[in-house]
Amino acid sequence: GNSVTQMEGPVTLSEEAFLTINCTYTATGYPSLFWYVQYPGEGLQLLLKATKADDKGSNKGFEATYRKETTSFHLEKGSVQVSDSAVYFCALTGASGGSYIPTFGRGTSLIVHP
Amino acid sequence: DSGVTQTPKHLITATGQRVTLRCSPRSGDLSVYWYQQSLDQGLQFLIQYYNGEERAKGNILERFSAQQFPDLHSELNLSSLELGDSALYFCASSVVQGEQFFGPGTRLTVL
Repeated sequence: GNSVTQMEGPVTLSEEAFLTINCTYTATGYPSLFWYVQYPGEGLQLLLKATKADDKGSNKGFEATYRKETTSFHLEKGSVQVSDSAVYFCALTGASGGSYIPTFGRGTSLIVHP
Repeated sequence: DSGVTQTPKHLITATGQRVTLRCSPRSGDLSVYWYQQSLDQGLQFLIQYYNGEERAKGNILERFSAQQFPDLHSELNLSSLELGDSALYFCASSVVQGEQFFGPGTRLTVL
């Protein structure tokens, strides 16, 4: 079946540091890939997405590129802010039995210090 | 604000009881998904409904059931509750394949 593996956290950075959160996946066919962010006490929000190989999703300074050859979708940001502190989930939606089933990673907590 | 609403926000109940969680999707979204989020299991997909019909099942226990009504709101019923059912339950809706909009969640505590 489909699966998503992302790096365990917490990731602790100082403000303005470079961020990478690794995500790799296993899926049949051609899944769509997503990053969601969950702020404390809230539901998940879509951060960015990519629907085919070599697509780059970007939003709010975050970027991720759909790499089919390495089955990866790593999240990057050049300069993090304290307000980026949250839990980040890598996810895919892939075909399964005639429907599209979402599969999420376990989430990576990011803590940014001033 | 995602446009997805969930009630109640918090629910405290005892083992063996039954509860109903409610979700209203974004206007125009036909698909509703239910998830369970716990510290040890992460975010688990439970079930999906599309325009009133069950479309996909994930890791949903037999003690749990769901339905989607003609007005597209959905309810998740949890029965014979156990301590291990304590978790955050999220509803999400979508119209475009895979891109989901999550509600604020219902925090269930089973004592």
